[in-house]
Amino acid sequence: GAGVSQSPSNKVTEKGKDVELRCDPISGHTALYWYRQSLGQGLEFLIYFQGNSAPDKSGLPSDRFSAERTGGSVSTLTIQRTQQEDSAVYLCASRFGQDSRETQYFGPGTRLLVL
Amino acid sequence: QKEVEQNSGPLSVPEGAIASLNCTYSDRGSQSFFWYRQYSGKSPELIMSIYSNGDKEDGRFTAQLNKASQYVSLLIRDSQPSDSATYLCAVNHSNTGFQKLVFGTGTRLLVSP
Repeated sequence: GAGVSQSPSNKVTEKGKDVELRCDPISGHTALYWYRQSLGQGLEFLIYFQGNSAPDKSGLPSDRFSAERTGGSVSTLTIQRTQQEDSAVYLCASRFGQDSRETQYFGPGTRLLVL
Repeated sequence: QKEVEQNSGPLSVPEGAIASLNCTYSDRGSQSFFWYRQYSGKSPELIMSIYSNGDKEDGRFTAQLNKASQYVSLLIRDSQPSDSATYLCAVNHSNTGFQKLVFGTGTRLLVSP
């Protein structure tokens, strides 16, 4: 079946502009994660959605970052007033259930470049 | 101390050799451990998961876990040039309710023909 999809695959924006990144998880997966990976770095957790529960936003780096998940499926990560340090690959992952031992499946990522 | 530590490498091994990748973690309550492979410009893909002390084998890959030493490793036997990638160690931390993975920065593996 289809995997996790993300759009756009690449985004170039000017400093100060807002951007929206989209994630379509695997159908039926209840858990959805957003990560950020800067050049040569590991994955940095941003936010976690599980079913209808309140999201875990503890990894969001500033109040310029927000995310929502509509209908328990598609998620949008919004970065307001982008800064150059926001340049990174933004990865989305989904997981079937609540068991933390279950595999997280990653999407291809969105490469964001802030000029 | 970083929560999950890996040697950044690169680790260079000749084709056919055993590659040994190591990872240490700080949270003694961690219960689940994962190895992801990430090719350059691609997203991570799960290679192995391990939850109990000891060894777990899957094909050419063996994951080893020692909770007392807070150490997890990945052995790749008969290394192939196609194994050249960055290998990310990820751990479920108890203080996050085990729901979030904490990733190391990865070890870059180079397998030469």
